[in-house]
Amino acid sequence: NAGVTQTPKFQVLKTGQSMTLQCAQDMNHNSMYWYRQDPGMGLRLIYYSASEGTTDKGEVPNGYNVSRLNKREFSLRLESAAPSQTSVYFCASSEWGGEGTEAFFGQGTRLTVV
Amino acid sequence: AQSVSQHNHHVILSEAASLELGCNYSYGGTVNLFWYVQYPGQHLQLLLKYFSGDPLVKGIKGFEAEFIKSKFSFNLRKPSVQWSDTAEYFCAVNRGSSGTYKYIFGTGTRLKVLA
Repeated sequence: NAGVTQTPKFQVLKTGQSMTLQCAQDMNHNSMYWYRQDPGMGLRLIYYSASEGTTDKGEVPNGYNVSRLNKREFSLRLESAAPSQTSVYFCASSEWGGEGTEAFFGQGTRLTVV
Repeated sequence: AQSVSQHNHHVILSEAASLELGCNYSYGGTVNLFWYVQYPGQHLQLLLKYFSGDPLVKGIKGFEAEFIKSKFSFNLRKPSVQWSDTAEYFCAVNRGSSGTYKYIFGTGTRLKVLA
């Protein structure tokens, strides 16, 4: 049982380049999330998908787009990377409905934009 | 808007010392509360969670947390820390059983335990 899998684990981009971060979960979760982690700022929500077919902006959506490809997969795209997007990106997933449940996290993608 | 405050940004303790990390949240409705731990170079892992019932919650590795509704707090405690507890600790909140499950995180507390 792999849980939440992110690819790639590391990436270096030049300013202006584009890339897509991939995320897949095998827990049959309905909700998925993308966070960025920066020193001293904790985890900030970029986008989330409450269920298949829906996506919503989080706290810091500018410069990003997302696609909920199916129930398992939720990708994050940087159309034109900027140095301010240098960060560690985490994908997470959780159940839908009923009592609250925790989010399960992937291993992260360390992105450097030069 | 919901927010989560962790007032201790860096904590340094000697092994066997007691630990208490503060967490306060701003949301007034029903909330679910979490503490996550991130060991160096790793992803976030759940330490413990509170949904309802007994406000004193026990988690893994000897950690516990107390939910005090009147103070909007969910502080993490451990009676005796070990060197292996060196990590970053995050408090998080979400809204509970209705609506979307947005998890809002605090800025984290970096704990260093000296052997």
